[in-house]
Amino acid sequence: EAGVVQSPRYKIIEKKQPVAFWCNPISGHNTLYWYRQNLGQGPELLIRYENEEAVDDSQLPKDRFSAERLKGVDSTLKIQPAELGDSAVYLCASSSQDRAYEQYFGPGTRLTVT
Amino acid sequence: QKEVEQDPGPLSVPEGAIVSLNCTYSNSAFQYFMWYRQYSRKGPELLMYTYSSGNKEDGRFTAQVDKSSKYISLFIRDSQPSDSATYLCAMSASTGKLIFGQGTTLQVKP
Repeated sequence: EAGVVQSPRYKIIEKKQPVAFWCNPISGHNTLYWYRQNLGQGPELLIRYENEEAVDDSQLPKDRFSAERLKGVDSTLKIQPAELGDSAVYLCASSSQDRAYEQYFGPGTRLTVT
Repeated sequence: QKEVEQDPGPLSVPEGAIVSLNCTYSNSAFQYFMWYRQYSRKGPELLMYTYSSGNKEDGRFTAQVDKSSKYISLFIRDSQPSDSATYLCAMSASTGKLIFGQGTTLQVKP
């Protein structure tokens, strides 16, 4: 069974530029999560989707971050404009709706903002 | 104060040692307790989860939860160099939102 797929794996951009990350969850998982992991820290939830609906986006900096999950499968996370402090690893995870504690993570996208 | 506290280490042990990794937490609503392993430049990998209090064993790994003390542990028996990684504890109430600890870096020396 294929795991969570993310692209790109690495991205280097200058500040004020836009950037987008893509995630394809495990087949059959209707819950999708985006996390941000700063160096030396644990992941922190940005947004959680149940199918197409964002059910928890309280930690998403909405002035510059946006996300979408069209058709309840793939998802895109966007930052515009990027700031130096956005440098981090952006992780996507998925789970079945009734086993939200059992989340499976992708490899992440390592973003460097210069 | 963070909801979940975890000593970042690093922790260095010789091969074959028993490793003890721990987390404390403050939110009594947490019901699910997870341990993830993260290799360098990889995503976290779910090792084990426990519901409520008690012990759970899986091969060389044992997870313990003491809700009265708000303390969870992961024990690794007969540690191997391949166990060298960062170990993250994570906790959840019934909402599905995971709260992670900072992670403990473990190095097992041959």
